Amino acid sequence: GDSVTQMEGPVTLSEEAFLTINCTYTATGYPSLFWYVQYPGEGLQLLLKATKADDKGSNKGFEATYRKETTSFHLEKGSVQVSDSAVYFCALLIQAGTALIFGKGTTLSVSS
Amino acid sequence: NAGVTQTPKFQVLKTGQSMTLQCAQDMNHNSMYWYRQDPGMGLRLIYYSASEGTTDKGEVPNGYNVSRLNKREFSLRLESAAPSQTSVYFCATLDPVQPQHFGDGTRLSIL
Repeated sequence: GDSVTQMEGPVTLSEEAFLTINCTYTATGYPSLFWYVQYPGEGLQLLLKATKADDKGSNKGFEATYRKETTSFHLEKGSVQVSDSAVYFCALLIQAGTALIFGKGTTLSVSS
Repeated sequence: NAGVTQTPKFQVLKTGQSMTLQCAQDMNHNSMYWYRQDPGMGLRLIYYSASEGTTDKGEVPNGYNVSRLNKREFSLRLESAAPSQTSVYFCATLDPVQPQHFGDGTRLSIL
């Protein structure tokens, strides 16, 4: 069935380090792909999205490119900040009107 | 999160007790969802409602019931709480632009 696999955390980085969180998916058809972020004690917020192959989503310095050939949507940021500490979820949407399918989440901890 | 309001924010229950988690949205979205979030498990869909008057099971519906009272409100009920239902529960709505808009969650502990 359709699924999302994320790298397991926690990921621990120093401030200004480069971040990559890997995400791969299995899906029928042509899904849309998303990254959500969850800050401590809060709900999930959409971070970025890509709706077709080779699209690049970007927001707040984060980027991810929809790679159909490798079925991947890795999240990257060139220089992380302490305020980026959160749980990051990769997700896919098979078709409009259905629920998102989430990965298990990756915890990022950034220290100064 | 403006738009999706969940109550209560925290709750402690004893095994066997019942309770209802409330969710209300003011964005006029048709679809609403209930998820539970557990460590290492990500978010799992419990129930969803594609429109007022309809509900469907998700991945983990056992032990739960839902009611779509009107377009704004979608409640989740635990009839006889079990320790395995200790979790954080999130309500979400569907927006054509942003796929799902989440509430801040209800943290439920069952002793």
